[in-house]
Amino acid sequence: EPEVTQTPSHQVTQMGQEVILRCVPISNHLYFYWYRQILGQKVEFLVSFYNNEISEKSEIFDDQFSVERPDGSNFTLKIRSTKLEDSAMYFCASTENYGYTFGSGTRLTVV
Amino acid sequence: DQQVKQNSPSLSVQEGRISILNCDYTNSMFDYFLWYKKYPAEGPTFLISISSIKDKNEDGRFTVFLNKSAKHLSLHIVPSQPGDSAVYFCAARNYGGSQGNLIFGKGTKLSVKP
Repeated sequence: EPEVTQTPSHQVTQMGQEVILRCVPISNHLYFYWYRQILGQKVEFLVSFYNNEISEKSEIFDDQFSVERPDGSNFTLKIRSTKLEDSAMYFCASTENYGYTFGSGTRLTVV
Repeated sequence: DQQVKQNSPSLSVQEGRISILNCDYTNSMFDYFLWYKKYPAEGPTFLISISSIKDKNEDGRFTVFLNKSAKHLSLHIVPSQPGDSAVYFCAARNYGGSQGNLIFGKGTKLSVKP
């Protein structure tokens, strides 16, 4: 069964450093998303991406965040200068129409 | 502002019995609702969905009911099995002109006891 792949599974970074989280969406999907879940809280929408541009973003997705689809398969989330409160599970998702498929997530720990 | 609410943080049921997980929403523009199951350190796994034009959708042991007038949906699992123990998230699609993003509830932790 097709799946969304995320790497790395766990990333530890120092506060102020840049991190790039990587995702390979399902190949025939057209819409891509990043969500995050801070420990003990709900899954929150960050950004959606379609046709090589951001289609929607939440208040969380400020200037520190950016997304890119550098080639035909990868979809990346970059955090320019990480803060302690960026520590969370980050989930990538893709969909063709109604079926949103999520990856296993990247646990980001900012120390 | 919680647009999708799951008011029960946890639920415990006996194996073989029915599990009923509830979800309320406030935005009448939501057009599609989904239930996801999540194990620790894993991504949400899609379970079942329902369009806003329907009131019931069934898939094996899982049935989702939608009451639009009450802005309420529920997930029924019958019979419940120990392997169903996980956190269940209700999500609603916010169709804002593009494909739309999902708004999640806080989740309900289901424990099915043998």
